[in-house]
Amino acid sequence: AQSVTQLGSHVSVSEGALVLLRCNYSSSVPPYLFWYVQYPNQGLQLLLKYTSAATLVKGINGFEAEFKKSETSFHLTKPSAHMSDAAEYFCALLPPNFGNEKLTFGTGTRLTIIP
Amino acid sequence: EAGVTQFPSHSVIEKGQTVTLRCDPISGHDNLYWYRRVMGKEIKFLLHFVKESKQDESGMPNNRFLAERTGGTYSTLKVQPAELEDSGVYFCASSRPPGLLDETQYFGPGTRLLVL
Repeated sequence: AQSVTQLGSHVSVSEGALVLLRCNYSSSVPPYLFWYVQYPNQGLQLLLKYTSAATLVKGINGFEAEFKKSETSFHLTKPSAHMSDAAEYFCALLPPNFGNEKLTFGTGTRLTIIP
Repeated sequence: EAGVTQFPSHSVIEKGQTVTLRCDPISGHDNLYWYRRVMGKEIKFLLHFVKESKQDESGMPNNRFLAERTGGTYSTLKVQPAELEDSGVYFCASSRPPGLLDETQYFGPGTRLLVL
């Protein structure tokens, strides 16, 4: 069975500092991986996704993530945090085979930006 | 292109009552999914429709939950009778048909259900 672990349910960074949100996965086959973001009072929005092409994936709002098979990780980073990045971030896994299309989510990381 | 919409945005009901949640997927998306997030926990899969057929309902908690997708367009999720532990945020998502090389599931804003 697959699983996703997000280390740190709450992360605080200063405005302008590096954002690093951790995601590790467990899967019997290399999965597709996603980062979603939920801003206050809104739904889930796709930030970026890895689908077995380039291991470094760039997303919206300056975020990027790198798929590292050896470390089973897909950490999300942004060089310089902005106040508008305050939100909850979810890492999710999808098996790369049709017929099993349920996303498995981590527990989420709430990001706070300190002015 | 309009996104996934869900109605209502919030619902507060008493234990034992019935609630029906509605999801309208993105036009042309054959796949429709329901997920739920109970407070403080991870978002969990409930079920998956392909058009009007249930492809996978392995995540449905019990028989108090009934999902339908008549005509393969919008879907409803009915909880009857509601229990306290059913409180949470119910998300709907949709995705394009297989073979169109887009695995992304697009989510709606969710329905926040509170059972008192």
